[in-house]
Amino acid sequence: EDKVVQSPLSLVVHEGDTVTLNCSYEVTNFRSLLWYKQEKKAPTFLFMLTSSGIEKKSGRLSSILDKKELFSILNITATQTGDSAIYLCAYLSRGGGSNYKLTFGKGTLLTVNP
Amino acid sequence: DVKVTQSSRYLVKRTGEKVFLECVQDMDHENMFWYRQDPGLGLRLIYFSYDVKMKEKGDIPEGYSVSREKKERFSLILESASTNQTSMYLCASSQLGLRTDTQYFGPGTRLTVL
Repeated sequence: EDKVVQSPLSLVVHEGDTVTLNCSYEVTNFRSLLWYKQEKKAPTFLFMLTSSGIEKKSGRLSSILDKKELFSILNITATQTGDSAIYLCAYLSRGGGSNYKLTFGKGTLLTVNP
Repeated sequence: DVKVTQSSRYLVKRTGEKVFLECVQDMDHENMFWYRQDPGLGLRLIYFSYDVKMKEKGDIPEGYSVSREKKERFSLILESASTNQTSMYLCASSQLGLRTDTQYFGPGTRLTVL
């Protein structure tokens, strides 16, 4: 059965720290892996990773995919209190027939204290 | 500015009623998506559309149908609402194919089926 596992489930850090969030997956017909940030409202898209070994970067956030080892990491440097949120990892895959499947992990709850 | 709007923020319906959830985007995006979000289950894809009158089943299409008659509007239909369809429903859109880097979400509709 396809699945995605995120770790840690929750994390508490101080402002300025660097954090690494992990996402491992087991899936057939893999297409892409996606990272989202969710605060009180709908999730905000962060990155979509399709190719292995190519880092994507946006400000203090970066992410990379390893398709051989089936995992991805999300790095946040110089964390700020505004980074506090749930970070969701998801993969997009194609199942049988015409169905696409987007499967999310349970998320990592990040709390950044001042 | 990117904008995805959903017709209602909160909706309460009775079992057996037909329910329409509307989503409109003003970015001329090709792709539109409907998800539901439930505690402990993350975001799950119901349907998506990559062009007018085109649709693809997602992970959990049972009990739902969709309509895309115009590019900017994507409707989710519950033919006969049931209590297990009580959930947060999120619409999203993106510009190009599934390899796009940016997927924008609407604010969500919290549906309660009594």
